[in-house]
Amino acid sequence: DAKTTQPPSMDCAEGRAANLPCNHSTISGNEYVYWYRQIHSQGPQYIIHGLKNNETNEMASLIITEDRKSSTLILPHATLRDTAVYYCIVRLSSGSARQLTFGSGTQLTVLP
Amino acid sequence: AAGVIQSPRHLIKEKRETATLKCYPIPRHDTVYWYQQGPGQDPQFLISFYEKMQSDKGSIPDRFSAQQFSDYHSELNMSSLELGDSALYFCASSLGQQGPGYEQYFGPGTRLTVT
Repeated sequence: DAKTTQPPSMDCAEGRAANLPCNHSTISGNEYVYWYRQIHSQGPQYIIHGLKNNETNEMASLIITEDRKSSTLILPHATLRDTAVYYCIVRLSSGSARQLTFGSGTQLTVLP
Repeated sequence: AAGVIQSPRHLIKEKRETATLKCYPIPRHDTVYWYQQGPGQDPQFLISFYEKMQSDKGSIPDRFSAQQFSDYHSELNMSSLELGDSALYFCASSLGQQGPGYEQYFGPGTRLTVT
C-alpha cells in the first residue's frame, strides 16, 4: 500500500470548515484513498473513501487531485466533537482481506 | 444499528498470565481484524480472518493466537503476557471481499493492563 504524509496537528475554529491535507504521491491506479478518525481511545471510525472523483457523504467531503497524488478531507462545519486524530490511508480495494495501515495521522483540535 | 462488540472492555492481568479477548462482528460481516494500540501509538494490525480462515498476518507475536468461529466471532488468545502487551486491542469487521466499499467498522476496544 502507498505511503501517506499528513501534518501532525491542525486547529480549527468551531463552525468553520476543517481542511485536512494528505499527500500520497506513490499511489497506484488501483488504490483507494480512505479516511478514518479516532476520537481519544475510541475505536477508529470510517469517514469516507474515493478513487478518482470527489466524494461527499453526511460526514465529510473528499477532494482528490487530478493526478491523485494528494487529497483533502473537508469537514464543512467542525464541532468540538470532531476533535480527533484523522488518518489518511491508501489501500487496494480487492484481493484478500486488506488490513488498514495507520500512519501518524493529523490531530485536529476544534477550538470553541 | 448493531456494532462490533468486544469483551471484556477492561482486563487486568499479571505477567506470564494468559488472556482471551473476544470480538463479535456486525451481523453478516464475514471478516474480522485485530489491531493493537500501545500508549501514544497508532493502531497496528495483528491478524485477520475471512470466512473462518486466517487471511493476513501482521506484527502478531508468536505468544498470541487467534481464530474465527463458525458464528464468525473471533477470539485473540494471549499467553505469557509481558508488560509491553499493555495496550488497547481493537477488533474490526467488514464484508470481506465485496468490492471497494468494504470499510472496516471498529469495536470500542479492550484495554489490557499487564502488571
